[in-house]
Amino acid sequence: KNEVEQSPQNLTAQEGEFITINCSYSVGISALHWLQQHPGGGIVSLFMLSSGKKKHGRLIATINIQEKHSSLHITASHPRDSAVYICAVSRGGSRLTFGEGTQLTVNP
Amino acid sequence: NAGVTQTPKFQVLKTGQSMTLQCAQDMNHEYMSWYRQDPGMGLRLIHYSVGAGITDQGEVPNGYNVSRSTTEDFPLRLLSAAPSQTSVYFCASSLASGGWNEQFFGPGTRLTVL
Repeated sequence: KNEVEQSPQNLTAQEGEFITINCSYSVGISALHWLQQHPGGGIVSLFMLSSGKKKHGRLIATINIQEKHSSLHITASHPRDSAVYICAVSRGGSRLTFGEGTQLTVNP
Repeated sequence: NAGVTQTPKFQVLKTGQSMTLQCAQDMNHEYMSWYRQDPGMGLRLIHYSVGAGITDQGEVPNGYNVSRSTTEDFPLRLLSAAPSQTSVYFCASSLASGGWNEQFFGPGTRLTVL
């Protein structure tokens, strides 16, 4: 079993829908990262969090340390949100363990 | 700032050839790392460096060498390419060691080994 599991693997939505991507991990962590990989391949950091909730524009990330679970929400989804969303955890050092990613497609 | 740059963007090698993937950052970041990305798998750490002159192995180091002679550069060497090394390679950097530092990724190098 992978230390970081994401669900779903693939997600198709209609423009305007509310989207949730889930990440579960099995180890103690110091931080959890959400990353976005564009269709062209580039990877950018969206959030780092260790507790509670963070919001940036239409994106919201939450984490429940007791349940070892994090969610990434996208409100009012748009076709430009189509990308692979990757969850990664740090156990104290800089080494990250990555989930396999969730492929999101938002149709107009 | 250019951020993290990688060259080349694409490369095709024959089995047994050697090559170096270049990575540079202009943000004065201490921590740099190399990952490979394969279908159906998450990014996996190959090698990393916490500062100039210091490198260490990651999860999948076999067949790869690194060095860090300057803060800016962190090249990845494939000693004798094998088809199993066909992958997309990403270099990343962060200000310092520690999971609380934002990682900045290069654009990737798509490598095919025939």
